[in-house]
Amino acid sequence: SAVISQKPSRDICQRGTSLTIQCQVDSQVTMMFWYRQQPGQSLTLIATANQGSEATYESGFVIDKFPISRPNLTFSTLTVSNMSPEDSSIYLCSTGGGHEQYFGPGTRLTVT
Amino acid sequence: GEDVEQSLFLSVREGDSSVINCTYTDSSSTYLYWYKQEPGAGLQLLTYIFSNMDMKQDQRLTVLLNKKDKHLSLRIADTQTGDSAIYFCAEISGTALIFGKGTTLSVSS
Repeated sequence: SAVISQKPSRDICQRGTSLTIQCQVDSQVTMMFWYRQQPGQSLTLIATANQGSEATYESGFVIDKFPISRPNLTFSTLTVSNMSPEDSSIYLCSTGGGHEQYFGPGTRLTVT
Repeated sequence: GEDVEQSLFLSVREGDSSVINCTYTDSSSTYLYWYKQEPGAGLQLLTYIFSNMDMKQDQRLTVLLNKKDKHLSLRIADTQTGDSAIYFCAEISGTALIFGKGTTLSVSS
C-alpha cells in the first residue's frame, strides 16, 4: 500500500489569497488524483495528474482556479487560487490503480 | 452520468450487525469499494470487491454484490463503538472514483 502525506494539514486563509497544498507519496506512482470534500458532502474529483503531462480537470473545475503541478512520480501540488468562502473544504490527494486506491489525510481549508 | 446512492444514517446497538447499502449506475465498474472516515481523519480503505464476485468476507466485514440490480452492501458483524464513522461506497469510473454521499453509522452501547 502507498503512504501519502499532505501539507498543510489545515489552514485558515483570507478571501482573495491562494494556497498551495503539497502531496507526497512514499513510492513512485503513475496517477495522482485531487478530490474535494465540502462540509457534510461526499468527495468530488477535481483533476487527475500524470507526471509529464497537463492535468485533466473534471467538469466544473478549471486550471486557472486549481492549477496542479506534477514534477515527478512521488509529488504533486494543488493550488486553490483567489479563494472565496465557498472553497472551504477538505482537499484530498489520492493515488492508486486497479483495486488499490489510497488517500492522504487531507488538508482542511477554511476561507474567511 | 455515473451516480452512487447511499442512505445517510444508520443507528445500531453495540454487538448487533450493521448493514449499509449502496446502489451504483456504472455497470462497467471493475471494482467497488468501501471506505471509512472517522471524525477529523482521512479516508481508510476498508475493503473492495471485484465486479465478477458476489461476496467477499474479511474478518467482521462481508460485502455482497448484486450486479444485476447494481446493489452493494457492507455488513459489519458484532458492531463496536469504534465502528462509529462515515462509510462511503465508491465505484471506479475510468481511473478515478465516484463516491456516494456517505452513511453515518452511530453505535450506542
